[in-house]
Amino acid sequence: ETGVTQSPTHLIKTRGQQVTLRCSSQSGHNTVSWYQQALGQGPQFIFQYYREEENGRGNFPPRFSGLQFPNYSSELNVNALELDDSALYLCASSPRGPLNTEAFFGQGTRLTVV
Amino acid sequence: ELKVEQNPLFLSMQEGKNYTIYCNYSTTSDRLYWYRQDPGKSLESLFVLLSNGAVKQEGRLMASLDTKARLSTLHITAAVHDLSATYFCAVDKNTGNQFYFGTGTSLTVIP
Repeated sequence: ETGVTQSPTHLIKTRGQQVTLRCSSQSGHNTVSWYQQALGQGPQFIFQYYREEENGRGNFPPRFSGLQFPNYSSELNVNALELDDSALYLCASSPRGPLNTEAFFGQGTRLTVV
Repeated sequence: ELKVEQNPLFLSMQEGKNYTIYCNYSTTSDRLYWYRQDPGKSLESLFVLLSNGAVKQEGRLMASLDTKARLSTLHITAAVHDLSATYFCAVDKNTGNQFYFGTGTSLTVIP
């Protein structure tokens, strides 16, 4: 157990719909990153939030957006879902500081777009 | 564009044997991470390598980092079935835990 929890664990949506995924970070961790892992692939960095601001973004379109709340929990929103958005979505929390420690991943949300 | 490549992609090995997984990356970075993923599960942190020449060992696994060669290795000693999983290396491009993952190595240890 990493202390990072995600909800829901599984989700089925229809193409064109919108979805919100949630992540509660580990206690004391103020940075949350989101990743998309397609089947058989390595995770791809979507974006990172630090102190409620986006702090870096990967190669994902604007229909992928996020929020971070004062308690450091975070949401990932995806608009206008496409079939290729079907994937495991992982969030990772980490403390912010000059000496990087590892990021701890949640169990993921499996999104299926039909 | 940062590229992280692992080889081999698939590895089938007998119990008791040794093998090495290689991770090459295309940008300057002093921070390299190894994760393990079991089928349908999330990522489990194995090693954090934060400087050139770093070497870490845990049980039958040992990881090393050569930042000049942009190469990390994960060495498996006397493999056991419980090590069967997919192993990912990840490079931290911006020193802020923004990871770029390799393609993964699917390891199967055969009794």
